Amino acid sequence: QVQLRESGPGLVKASQTLSLTCSVSGDSISGGANYWSWIRLHPGKGLEWIAYIYYTGSPYYSPSLRSRISISVDTSKNQFSLELRSVTAEDTALYYCARVDGSSRPHYFDYWGQGTLVTVSS
Amino acid sequence: QSALTQPASVSGSPGQSITISCTGTSSDIGAWNFVSWYLLHPGQAPKLMIYDVSNRPSGVSNRFSGSKSGNTASLTISGLQAEDEADYYCSSYIGNAARVVFGGGTKVTVL
Repeated sequence: QVQLRESGPGLVKASQTLSLTCSVSGDSISGGANYWSWIRLHPGKGLEWIAYIYYTGSPYYSPSLRSRISISVDTSKNQFSLELRSVTAEDTALYYCARVDGSSRPHYFDYWGQGTLVTVSS
Repeated sequence: QSALTQPASVSGSPGQSITISCTGTSSDIGAWNFVSWYLLHPGQAPKLMIYDVSNRPSGVSNRFSGSKSGNTASLTISGLQAEDEADYYCSSYIGNAARVVFGGGTKVTVL
């Protein structure tokens, strides 16, 4: 069974960098069959796609966040990570990592983590 | 504002059928058969319910079905059950930008 688990600080100060890691079990990131993604859920709002990446390192970013984010993979640890720079209160959200089906265009998320809540403090 | 438009809430009585709409544009839903639907229960990992407009992953009840017409996709839940009460989100691929967009979510209430 594929499982994903997010880890990272629950509290980040405004203007600092948020770093999150997703640990994958039950599948190999370097297997090449899938992409790997970050998605967030704002309190009282909807889901927002952040980015996804292939194991070779090719990233795809949300246009609205592109200038502040980086996504990377560590195949030796079977993990992928997100960095979000210059955070503000608007970045307070529940952050999910997810596996993206790669059978065609990367477009749906078949396995998700439980999510990790990140709060940005002033 | 979300790229895809969903009703904020839909309700129904047990046993009834409800339909959630998801409206996009000719650049997303209208252009690709890459619409998916997700169920979110608080405190749980989101669950894929429908992919590629109308396909159900293994283990998802056949009470859930998806369809698309033009720029609007729909999720229908038949034989509504109390356990179906949750938030549902649609998403679509945007090919010319190689990205995904979500709807604003619909809260389903079982009366």
